[in-house]
Amino acid sequence: AQRVTQPEKLLSVFKGAPVELKCNYSYSGSPELFWYVQYSRQRLQLLLRHISRESIKGFTADLNKGETSFHLKKPFAQEEDSAMYYCALSDGAYKYIFGTGTRLKVLA
Amino acid sequence: NAGVTQTPKFQVLKTGQSMTLQCAQDMNHEYMSWYRQDPGMGLRLIHYSVGAGITDQGEVPNGYNVSRSTTEDFPLRLLSAAPSQTSVYFCASSYGTGFYEQYFGPGTRLTVT
Repeated sequence: AQRVTQPEKLLSVFKGAPVELKCNYSYSGSPELFWYVQYSRQRLQLLLRHISRESIKGFTADLNKGETSFHLKKPFAQEEDSAMYYCALSDGAYKYIFGTGTRLKVLA
Repeated sequence: NAGVTQTPKFQVLKTGQSMTLQCAQDMNHEYMSWYRQDPGMGLRLIHYSVGAGITDQGEVPNGYNVSRSTTEDFPLRLLSAAPSQTSVYFCASSYGTGFYEQYFGPGTRLTVT
């Protein structure tokens, strides 16, 4: 079955510490993978996508096909990074599958 | 350019009532979708549309109907509300599927008593 797993509901880190939000997927083909973020009182918005190979707000994500993972990383967390993060998979046709989300809290 | 708009922002229904959640976008996007967001369950796809006149079911379609008569609008109808439909509903649109970014509306918080 197609699935996106985010094992951590809540991740708390101190400001300046490294951050890694985990995402594992189960999919038989070659999916497109995304990270979406929802800041407090804001809409859900795209943070980054695998195909763009970009770094946004200091975040990067590497697709590991062997481990079927797409973990989100940032070397130094900032307080403004506190938000809800969703990993998502597109089957390339019509359907998107979201993970259950990880709430990141960056402590001062 | 308003992006994706949703109305209402909040709604309380009694069990058995029906209502329509409105969604509109002004970006000429072909793909539109509806999700529900529940604690611990993330976003789950209810219905989607790849263009005017074309709709299909997502992961959790039961109890919901959709139609797409224009490119801009994609309303979600609750036929007979149940407490299990208490949730936050998000509409999204994109140029297409695959690697395209989805643009989300602000959400509708629905409570069914």
